[in-house]
Amino acid sequence: EIVMTQSPATLSVSPGERATLSCRASQSVSSNLAWYQQKPGQAPRLLIYGASTRATGMPARFSGSGSGTEFTLTISSLQSEDFVVYYCQQYNKWPITFGQGTQLEIK
Amino acid sequence: EVQLVESGGGLVQSGGSLTLSCAASGFTFSSYWMQWVRQAPGKGLVWVARISTDESRTSHADSVKGRFTIARDNAKNTLYLQMNSLRAEDTAVYYCARGIVGVFDAFDIWGQGTMVTVSS
Repeated sequence: EIVMTQSPATLSVSPGERATLSCRASQSVSSNLAWYQQKPGQAPRLLIYGASTRATGMPARFSGSGSGTEFTLTISSLQSEDFVVYYCQQYNKWPITFGQGTQLEIK
Repeated sequence: EVQLVESGGGLVQSGGSLTLSCAASGFTFSSYWMQWVRQAPGKGLVWVARISTDESRTSHADSVKGRFTIARDNAKNTLYLQMNSLRAEDTAVYYCARGIVGVFDAFDIWGQGTMVTVSS
């Protein structure tokens, strides 16, 4: 199966600044990559799919890029509600696999 | 409002069975592939199973193959997960999720989750 590796595990950034989260696939997943945000005690929420397409209703400060094996989620001008966990997911090849998550914390 | 509501979770002994349900509302359920994803306490997300719109195609993760079965009833707008031979490692919150039209395997709507605890 394709292993998704997210880095760093924890990222410390100040409110108002930019955060860059990375996701690497063990083999090419083309652009079949999604990003999810999960707040404590809640279900995940889709942010990005197709590596760079923002999901309906997602703020423009969230953007995705990359293809093949290297992907990035960028959150510009961090808001207080953004300091939660983010997961990447590949859906290019079965089985679907998720990264282990990046915890975004306030610096 | 587009919504998925899971039910059926609970405490069960190792080797036991449980059936989870996911009631859909606010959208045309029969037009969407549906999935189950689970999350063990304090851990990440793990895909469990998926089913096509007409139930003709299903897939299950190797870890649950032969023990879990995904199904749906489009007339009742409901997704199911029949879980047999449960193990302690199946303890998790189970989410149902809707696949994006045309993409299928990225999930744009999630339920709130139902907790399954397997005691050994």
